[in-house]
Amino acid sequence: RKEVEQDPGPFNVPEGATVAFNCTYSNSASQSFFWYRQDCRKEPKLLMSVYSSGNEDGRFTAQLNRASQYISLLIRDSKLSDSATYLCVVKVNSGYSTLTFGKGTMLLVSP
Amino acid sequence: DAGITQSPRHKVTETGTPVTLRCHQTENHRYMYWYRQDPGHGLRLIHYSYGVKDTDKGEVSDGYSVSRSKTEDFLLTLESATSSQTSVYFCAISVGDGYTFGSGTRLTVV
Repeated sequence: RKEVEQDPGPFNVPEGATVAFNCTYSNSASQSFFWYRQDCRKEPKLLMSVYSSGNEDGRFTAQLNRASQYISLLIRDSKLSDSATYLCVVKVNSGYSTLTFGKGTMLLVSP
Repeated sequence: DAGITQSPRHKVTETGTPVTLRCHQTENHRYMYWYRQDPGHGLRLIHYSYGVKDTDKGEVSDGYSVSRSKTEDFLLTLESATSSQTSVYFCAISVGDGYTFGSGTRLTVV
């Protein structure tokens, strides 16, 4: 079983739609969680951290369910500029911690 | 801008030749990482460093070596390049809880 699993998509949505991405992780010792965004042929960039209580940044809302080992990202009122690949990322905070990346979910927002 | 640069940006090399990729950072970060990204696999950790001369293997370290003789530079060497090492290579530094990535090196082994 992969450590971090995501639906690869692509998710094709019209502008203004609400879209949700899901992610599951296998290591129960994971302590930090993130969503990264990667544009085509570019490097990944941090979109937002995910906190246990859930957190929101403008049109983006992230949720964490530790019991189910499940992370989600909700994008409201999608824009054309939201088209990208969204990477679910987890970190186990022990020793020399490294980030483990999901394969990403591609989002295509159309006019 | 976190001050992390990779060189070269693009490289084509022949099978069997050694190749070195460079990652340079200007902000004195202790932790640095090399990842490769391939279709169907996502980002996979090759090697990482937690200080000068302190490095460790990641998930896909076979065929790669690294060196960190200065805080600012983390070098990735493909000892004898193979076609399976054709990939996009990203360097990253640890910033807070997350990472900041360089722009990547697109390597083609022919």
